[in-house]
Amino acid sequence: EPEVTQTPSHQVTQMGQEVILRCVPISNHLYFYWYRQILGQKVEFLVSFYNNEISEKSEIFDDQFSVERPDGSNFTLKIRSTKLEDSAMYFCASKSDRATGGELFFGEGSRLTVL
Amino acid sequence: AQTVTQSQPEMSVQEAETVTLSCTYDTSENNYYLFWYKQPPSRQMILVIRQEAYKQQNATENRFSVNFQKAAKSFSLKISDSQLGDTAMYFCACHKTSGSRLTFGEGTQLTVNP
Repeated sequence: EPEVTQTPSHQVTQMGQEVILRCVPISNHLYFYWYRQILGQKVEFLVSFYNNEISEKSEIFDDQFSVERPDGSNFTLKIRSTKLEDSAMYFCASKSDRATGGELFFGEGSRLTVL
Repeated sequence: AQTVTQSQPEMSVQEAETVTLSCTYDTSENNYYLFWYKQPPSRQMILVIRQEAYKQQNATENRFSVNFQKAAKSFSLKISDSQLGDTAMYFCACHKTSGSRLTFGEGTQLTVNP
């Protein structure tokens, strides 16, 4: 069964370093998302992406964050200069169509630890 | 803004018994979708069941059913004949028709005991 895959599963980085989290969405999906969950808190929406551009972004998704789909298969989240508060589990998700009730398929997550 | 609240951080149930997980939400939208997602240990979140707000009939998927009370903004999940494989974190979520974000609750950790 097709799955969303994420790498790395866990990354430890120093504050101020750049981090790139990678995701391979399901191949025929067109809508892509990043969510994050800080330990002990709710899963929060970061950004949605369609047709090579951001569709919607949350207040969390500031200038330190960027997304791109460089090669038609990978979907990446870059954090330019990591802060301690960026430590969280980051989930990638994809969806085949725009329908609101459509199922989101999630990856297993990438745990980011910023020291 | 939408909010989703799950007031039960943890629940447990005996195998083969029935358990209900609670969820309340708040939204100003007239139409929206509600979801329950399940996240087994070290695995990805998967969709359990969904409900469109304008449909009055409660959604059912095999052993999983919901009790959707629109006026009360309540969306509980009932799991019948609980199985060990139902052990997971369960997230309630709301998606308004406009926009693309899911708003999640805090999650309820369900443990099914043998």
